Amino acid sequence: EADIYQTPRYLVIGTGKKITLECSQTMGHDKMYWYQQDPGMELHLIHYSYGVNSTEKGDLSSESTVSRIRTEHFPLTLESARPSHTSQYLCASSGQVGYGYTFGSGTRLTVV
Amino acid sequence: ELKVEQNPLFLSMQEGKNYTIYCNYSTTSDRLYWYRQDPGKSLESLFVLLSNGAVKQEGRLMASLDTKARLSTLHITAAVHDLSATYFCAVVYSGGSNYKLTFGKGTLLTVNP
Repeated sequence: EADIYQTPRYLVIGTGKKITLECSQTMGHDKMYWYQQDPGMELHLIHYSYGVNSTEKGDLSSESTVSRIRTEHFPLTLESARPSHTSQYLCASSGQVGYGYTFGSGTRLTVV
Repeated sequence: ELKVEQNPLFLSMQEGKNYTIYCNYSTTSDRLYWYRQDPGKSLESLFVLLSNGAVKQEGRLMASLDTKARLSTLHITAAVHDLSATYFCAVVYSGGSNYKLTFGKGTLLTVNP
């Protein structure tokens, strides 16, 4: 079944650690996105990609980085986690224009 | 810059009542999406509206799009507790041959017995 997967679902990590949030999709979508969302709050686009080797920063400045080496994989990395990075991170993908986004289940990150 | 405004941002209603959530956007677009988010969960697609006058219905929810007024509505009929969630509208921003969605801030709906 085509889907979009995020791992881990929950992550508690100490300040200063390097972390990578994984996002993979099996739908062959060329466009992928990362959103940051605090509980009960609006979504903020932090990174997006329109294809392999294409990445762009989103509307909200973020200390994270992304890569897109394969169509199906769009990982997000924080080199040195801080408590201010505590949030939920949502990955999404889209294929044909007009069909909107499909969202992953999210990663809830807590930095202590 | 495309702006998407939802109102109300918070809505508390009784079971059995009707209400409408509004989504206004600032620039021309003919594609609008509604999503639902349960607490602590991800976003689930509800409706895709692709043309002026489009109307979609699923159970007690009905969404419509008026591209001339730059307005979409999400109407709730005879609300039930299971509809309690946050509802987001999103509008496509066309930048060249690619696009990205701009989301409203969301409407937190609480349906009380």
